[in-house]
Amino acid sequence: DAGITQSPRYKITETGRQVTLMCHQTWSHSYMFWYRQDLGHGLRLIYYSAAADITDKGEVPDGYVVSRSKTENFPLTLESATRSQTSVYFCASSSSAGYTFGSGTRLTVV
Amino acid sequence: GQNIDQPTEMTATEGAIVQINCTYQTSGFNGLFWYQQHAGEAPTFLSYNVLDGLEEKGRFSSFLSRSKGYSYLLLKELQMKDSASYLCAVRSDYKLSFGAGTTVTVRA
Repeated sequence: DAGITQSPRYKITETGRQVTLMCHQTWSHSYMFWYRQDLGHGLRLIYYSAAADITDKGEVPDGYVVSRSKTENFPLTLESATRSQTSVYFCASSSSAGYTFGSGTRLTVV
Repeated sequence: GQNIDQPTEMTATEGAIVQINCTYQTSGFNGLFWYQQHAGEAPTFLSYNVLDGLEEKGRFSSFLSRSKGYSYLLLKELQMKDSASYLCAVRSDYKLSFGAGTTVTVRA
């Protein structure tokens, strides 16, 4: 299917565990982004990538790691999950036409 | 840093008009976006302004004044399906920074 897909859609994990959220896009867009959305804060940028093997920190990067070995994939890893990382995570890609968001991953850390 | 402000909530009647204001102070500006987001769903693109003035797209219009750091989204002929959150976002160096969003409730 064409577009941008995220997996899993829902995830419950325990404090201290490592968890990886996946993001895949079929358009070969150069730029990709990870946001988290929390009540009262809107969407906040965690990390972004300008191309394969080029990543940079956003507004709230602490506790997260990203990689981009291929243009189409941009996984986000929580190395040791904390309850404050309970949130909805959105991946996005951009082109000259604008920004398109994935369906989101609702992560709960217990 | 980025500072983007919009009202938290607005309520309007079906068939009416609602205007959502957004003010911004950002360290760079390459355009302003408006997104619509229904509960539990991803944001979807509504409009984009990079130059001053009004952009009209069907029932939705968006206005930008760069000198004032101000934009608004105008929703006309409101329908029940327009009940959603509306997100104002400023682009700077390919990155989007968002306001906290405005929840619009349309009443019959």
